[in-house]
Amino acid sequence: GAGVSQTPSNKVTEKGKYVELRCDPISGHTALYWYRQSLGQGPEFLIYFQGTGAADDSGLPNDRFFAVRPEGSVSTLKIQRTERGDSAVYLCASSFGRGIADTQYFGPGTRLTVL
Amino acid sequence: AQKVTQAQTEISVVEKEDVTLDCVYETRDTTYYLFWYKQPPSGELVFLIRRNSFDEQNEISGRYSWNFQKSTSSFNFTITASQVVDSAVYFCALSEKRGAQKLVFGQGTRLTINP
Repeated sequence: GAGVSQTPSNKVTEKGKYVELRCDPISGHTALYWYRQSLGQGPEFLIYFQGTGAADDSGLPNDRFFAVRPEGSVSTLKIQRTERGDSAVYLCASSFGRGIADTQYFGPGTRLTVL
Repeated sequence: AQKVTQAQTEISVVEKEDVTLDCVYETRDTTYYLFWYKQPPSGELVFLIRRNSFDEQNEISGRYSWNFQKSTSSFNFTITASQVVDSAVYFCALSEKRGAQKLVFGQGTRLTINP
């Protein structure tokens, strides 16, 4: 079946602008995760959804970052007043939602560049 | 706190050589899972293996093998008879019961297989 998809694949924006990044999980997966990967680093956790609710948002760096998953499927990561330090690849993953044993399957990522 | 260390930043070998990628982890939990992911130049993270903390049996899958040792908190990955297609960045990751379902990644090891 289809894997995790993310749009856009690339996003270039100017400092101070608002951006939205979209993630479409694997069909049947109830858990959805957002990670951020800076150049030369491993992915860092941002937020985790179980169904429609954010079960853990401890990784969001500040209140400029917000994510939603209104119908328990597609999720949108929203970044307000973007800063140059927000430039990174934003990765989305999904899983069956069975706990820490779950394997997370990743999408191709959205490369965000803030000029 | 949970932490994953991949001390080898870059490894370069000639095709057909065996190569081992090291992973050392820290956790206070007795229940946890360890993962390896491959990130080829295309950028998408590809799941390779999952191992739980109660199962120390080594695993072999074709040219890939994994050695899990709780006594040294290590989960090393060996590629036998390496091939050019194995060139990628490899990440080790940890999920623990206290950390909900988020993955904590190491910084990755960039493996280059030269023909």
